[in-house]
Amino acid sequence: KAGVTQTPRYLIKTRGQQVTLSCSPISGHRSVSWYQQTPGQGLQFLFEYFSETQRNKGNFPGRFSGRQFSNSRSEMNVSTLELGDSALYLCASSLGTDRAVDTQYFGPGTRLTVL
Amino acid sequence: QKEVEQNSGPLSVPEGAIASLNCTYSDRGSQSFFWYRQYSGKSPELIMSIYSNGDKEDGRFTAQLNKASQYVSLLIRDSQPSDSATYLCAVKRMNTGFQKLVFGTGTRLLVSP
Repeated sequence: KAGVTQTPRYLIKTRGQQVTLSCSPISGHRSVSWYQQTPGQGLQFLFEYFSETQRNKGNFPGRFSGRQFSNSRSEMNVSTLELGDSALYLCASSLGTDRAVDTQYFGPGTRLTVL
Repeated sequence: QKEVEQNSGPLSVPEGAIASLNCTYSDRGSQSFFWYRQYSGKSPELIMSIYSNGDKEDGRFTAQLNKASQYVSLLIRDSQPSDSATYLCAVKRMNTGFQKLVFGTGTRLLVSP
């Protein structure tokens, strides 16, 4: 089975711009979760999508948004970029069930640099 | 109090030794526990998962869970320089079905030849 894929792998943007990141989950997985990783804050949960619906959201401003398509692929958008948005953005896919054994698998990440 | 706490390290061990990584969590409703390994500049890779009290072994790795003490650990036997990485402890609480992992800040492990 192919793993989780993320595009693009690297992005350089300037303050005020917006950016869209893409994530394709493992085949058969319906849940996609997004995380932001910075040296100072570690891994922070952004949101989770399941069956095209946002099920849970972390404590991030409204500039961070996402969506999921019917094929379970997900996109994350950040508008009005700030310097502090520079980070590694990770998506993780899972079956999305209630079962304790349901495990998240991470993609390679998108490294965003805001200048 | 942080939801998931880990000693940031670095934890330095010689090659061939046992590395012991520890993690505590605050939410007694937590049901699933995961250890991920992350090399510098790479994404987290699942090493072990554990759901019941006791030990779970997989090759050189053993995960230990004690829900009463709210403690989970990872032992790495016969440590190799290639094990040098940051180890992230993650905890999942099942609530209304959504998936949310809470991560510790990670313990950096250095294995010297």
